[in-house]
Amino acid sequence: SQQGEEDPQALSIQEGENATMNCSYKTSINNLQWYRQNSGRGLVHLILIRSNEREKHSGRLRVTLDTSKKSSSLLITASRAADTASYFCATDSETSYDKVIFGPGTSLSVIP
Amino acid sequence: DVKVTQSSRYLVKRTGEKVFLECVQDMDHENMFWYRQDPGLGLRLIYFSYDVKMKEKGDIPEGYSVSREKKERFSLILESASTNQTSMYLCASSLGVTGLSYEQYFGPGTRLTVT
Repeated sequence: SQQGEEDPQALSIQEGENATMNCSYKTSINNLQWYRQNSGRGLVHLILIRSNEREKHSGRLRVTLDTSKKSSSLLITASRAADTASYFCATDSETSYDKVIFGPGTSLSVIP
Repeated sequence: DVKVTQSSRYLVKRTGEKVFLECVQDMDHENMFWYRQDPGLGLRLIYFSYDVKMKEKGDIPEGYSVSREKKERFSLILESASTNQTSMYLCASSLGVTGLSYEQYFGPGTRLTVT
């Protein structure tokens, strides 16, 4: 089944630095979403970007989508220790618009 | 604020027991989902419901069943719990508008241990 895959699997940065995570997927999509999960908790939705959009911002988050390369990136600027979490991209399913397929995630550690 | 609640944060059950995991959402969402999350495997969809009494199998439905008698409540049932069902179980809900997908709102998760 279609799936996004994040890169890198793990990332460790100093507080104040920017963090960039990438997501690649296999087939055409209608939208792509990014989620955050703090340790042992449920996922929190961050941003949804539709296939006709190229860039979207939300606070310190910037998401880009390149449908020609079938990839997306999530940039977190001026990172904080509280940004330490796992980040997942999710693409809509080939078989149903209502379902999404989650990638395995990027684990981000922000060192104070 | 959308709220998705799950009946337990931690649960310990014995092999062979019937286990019920309950999920309730308060935003009148059409869609509800059950996932399990395991290290290295990410989130895998067990079952999905797009309306009351309607359900659809996800990627790993074996050993599980679901029930949706009311719009706000979606239950996951382990008919006969086995040790390989030890996992984190996450419930989510979303709007269901044909042709579009929307953000999912997750509950806090239930960490189930089967001994």
